Amino acid sequence: DIHMTQSPSSLSASVGDRVTITCRSSQAISNYLAWFQQKPGKAPKSLIYAASSLQSGVPSKFNGSGSGTHFSLTISSLQPEDFATYYCQQYTRYPYTFGQGTKLEIK
Amino acid sequence: EVQLLDSGGGLVQPGGSLRLSCAASGFTFTSHAMSWVRRAPGKGLEWVSGITGSGGSAYYADAVKGRFTISRDNFKNTLFLQMNSLRAEDTAVYYCARERYSSGWDDFDYWGQGTLVTVSS
Repeated sequence: DIHMTQSPSSLSASVGDRVTITCRSSQAISNYLAWFQQKPGKAPKSLIYAASSLQSGVPSKFNGSGSGTHFSLTISSLQPEDFATYYCQQYTRYPYTFGQGTKLEIK
Repeated sequence: EVQLLDSGGGLVQPGGSLRLSCAASGFTFTSHAMSWVRRAPGKGLEWVSGITGSGGSAYYADAVKGRFTISRDNFKNTLFLQMNSLRAEDTAVYYCARERYSSGWDDFDYWGQGTLVTVSS
């Protein structure tokens, strides 16, 4: 199985800040990488697919990059609604695997 | 509008069975592979099982292989997860998720709201 490692596991930031979350895969996955946002008690929301493509309706403040084994998600101009847990996921082969999550909290 | 409505969760004893459903609407169901993803209390997201748009191929995580069966009714636009021999570690919120295309190996673009499964005596 492909192991996905996110860093950091948690992150404190202020409204207006820009933050970056990184994701590393144990094997090369080309650009078969997605990012999700999940808030407590809610379903995950798809943000990014193919490492850098925005899902429909997702604001451009979310930016994904990377290829191979190293990926990142940058969120600009943080707003209160952005504080949530973020996951990366590879879908190059089954079983699909997720990173352990990064909890973004308000400082 | 794409909608995925998860149902069928509940409290079940260890060793018991449960069948989850995901009713899909607002899109051509057969054009999309589907998956089940779960989140256990205090843990992260875990992919459980996936099935191609035709229903011809199914895939499972090792943790559920041999105990869970994914299926779909393409006439009723519904995805199922039959869960047998349930264990305490299967306790989680289960979400169905739509994949972008029918063949699998694609990203999830829409999610159901989730249904809670609790395995406890």
